[in-house]
Amino acid sequence: QVQLVQSGAEVKKPGASVKVSCKASGYTFTSYYMHWVRQAPGQGLEWMGIINPSGGSTSYAQKFQGRVTMTRDTSTSTVYMELSSLRSEDTAVYYCARDKSSEYYDILTGSIGLYYYYYMDVWGKGTTVTVSS
Amino acid sequence: EIVLTQSPATLSLSPGERATLSCRASQSVSSYLAWYQQKPGQAPRLLIYDASNRATGIPARFSGSGSGTDFTLTISSLEPEDFAVYYCQQRSNWPPLTFGPGTKVDIK
Repeated sequence: QVQLVQSGAEVKKPGASVKVSCKASGYTFTSYYMHWVRQAPGQGLEWMGIINPSGGSTSYAQKFQGRVTMTRDTSTSTVYMELSSLRSEDTAVYYCARDKSSEYYDILTGSIGLYYYYYMDVWGKGTTVTVSS
Repeated sequence: EIVLTQSPATLSLSPGERATLSCRASQSVSSYLAWYQQKPGQAPRLLIYDASNRATGIPARFSGSGSGTDFTLTISSLEPEDFAVYYCQQRSNWPPLTFGPGTKVDIK
């Protein structure tokens, strides 16, 4: 079955960096974009960015530009999210979530393509990151 | 950045009642809106995408409607497992993808 398994909880000091992993299984890793979404305690959901596991291209929310780096390892079907210069406000649960997509038949080229929805249809269980001195 | 506003913040209802949740966008998002359900200690679950399409495995009691700036999630008859927080999310104009602040549906 489709599954995203995230790394364990982290406790970091202000100014440090954290790297969270998300291992995918049960589907073709390179065919689905991956999002990172965080949720501070008692708060709502906040989108951080997206990575294309096929080519490694990324797009980040401006709020995190310069502090976040998303990477992938196709040999292990794992995506990573690294957040640097941590502050107390970064204390949150960090989720990886697969982008919903569906195949379509391109009648002009005769090939199968993928339509990306930019919604999240499969989620990891989350990784708690606590930033505290 | 498109801002999503959800109302009410909390909805207190009894099992079997109808729930109507609202999501309003700061500018038109066409039909590019999704709804998620989140229970305590769990990851969100995709319910509705592109305003009115149920995601795989979602019961028919969940329905979505709307376009442009005003959207509604309706739960026709609340089951005990439906008491949760519901978020809307737009994908019309990004980055960033944005979520609403959520509506909590709790037991009256």
